[in-house]
Amino acid sequence: EAQVTQNPRYLITVTGKKLTVTCSQNMNHEYMSWYRQDPGLGLRQIYYSMNVEVTDKGDVPEGYKVSRKEKRNFPLILESPSPNQTSLYFCASSLRRQINSPLHFGNGTRLTVT
Amino acid sequence: TQLLEQSPQFLSIQEGENLTVYCNSSSVFSSLQWYRQEPGEGPVLLVTVVTGGEVKKLKRLTFQFGDARKDSSLHITAAQPGDTGLYLCAGEVIQGAQKLVFGQGTRLTINP
Repeated sequence: EAQVTQNPRYLITVTGKKLTVTCSQNMNHEYMSWYRQDPGLGLRQIYYSMNVEVTDKGDVPEGYKVSRKEKRNFPLILESPSPNQTSLYFCASSLRRQINSPLHFGNGTRLTVT
Repeated sequence: TQLLEQSPQFLSIQEGENLTVYCNSSSVFSSLQWYRQEPGEGPVLLVTVVTGGEVKKLKRLTFQFGDARKDSSLHITAAQPGDTGLYLCAGEVIQGAQKLVFGQGTRLTINP
């Protein structure tokens, strides 16, 4: 089954404790992206990757890192999480980033930073 | 800067009623996508509209792209409880590289 898989689904952590949210897709997609979803703000892009070893900042990249060493994986790293990073995070992929290329989303990771 | 404004943000109606959700911007988009998101899941693409004035139908859902490609609407006829969910519009903005910008979403509840 074609899918985007995120882990974990739920994560509660404390301020400053490094964490990684994994994302993997099995559709051989070139483009991958991370979003955060907050009430009243919709989905905001954190980082994206056009292909292996190519990453770029989205609208809200502060406090996050990503890597794209393999085509299928695009982990999101929070080196020193803070409470304002409490949010619902989504990984998404598409065949390529162009018109009419739909995004396929994972089921989300709900992160709470205390 | 929020480029896409969706309205209403919340809508609760009775089964069988009709409704329209709006997605507006002052920016021109090369295309516009509509997604539906259910609790505990990621958004799922419903439709993409590309041409100004384009109308697409998906069963009881009708999507329209404005003539100037700055706005879009989603109309649901005879709403069913299964239509309940968060509806998101997303516009493709060409800023050097193409970028997808999401609206805040419309949370729709259809009561039996």
